[in-house]
Amino acid sequence: EPEVTQTPSHQVTQMGQEVILRCVPISNHLYFYWYRQILGQKVEFLVSFYNNEISEKSEIFDDQFSVERPDGSNFTLKIRSTKLEDSAMYFCASSETETYGYTFGSGTRLTVV
Amino acid sequence: DQQVKQNSPSLSVQEGRISILNCDYTNSMFDYFLWYKKYPAEGPTFLISISSIKDKNEDGRFTVFLNKSAKHLSLHIVPSQPGDSAVYFCAASPPGDSSYKLIFGSGTRLLVRP
Repeated sequence: EPEVTQTPSHQVTQMGQEVILRCVPISNHLYFYWYRQILGQKVEFLVSFYNNEISEKSEIFDDQFSVERPDGSNFTLKIRSTKLEDSAMYFCASSETETYGYTFGSGTRLTVV
Repeated sequence: DQQVKQNSPSLSVQEGRISILNCDYTNSMFDYFLWYKKYPAEGPTFLISISSIKDKNEDGRFTVFLNKSAKHLSLHIVPSQPGDSAVYFCAASPPGDSSYKLIFGSGTRLLVRP
């Protein structure tokens, strides 16, 4: 069964450093999402992306965050200057059509120290 | 932000019995609801959904009930199996949204005892 692949599975970074979280969505999917889950809290929407542009972003997704689909297969989330409170599990998701039942990746655990 | 609430952080049931997971929401304009299941070290997996025009949707052992007047939905798993042990998230789609983003509850950890 096709999967959404996220790398790395765990990343530790110093506060203030830039990080790039990588995702390879399912190949024929057109709609892409990033969510995050701070330990013990809810899964929260960050951003949706379609047709090479952001469809919607949440209040969390401030100027420190950006997304890119650089080569037609990868979908990346960049955090320019990480803060301690950015420590969370980050999930990428994709869907073929406009639907809510999208497929999530296994996540990247980001730890900011 | 408590638009979608799962008030029970955990639930333990015996194998073969019914598991009932509950979810409440505050915005009566939500028009689509989903349940996701999540195992440790994996992403959420879509389980079942229901549109606000329905009050029940069934898929095998899983049934979701929607009570719009009470702004409440529930997921029934019958019979429960040990492999159902996971965290279950309720999610809702905001009204007037074109991006298909979801608002999740905090999850309920289900343990099915053999």
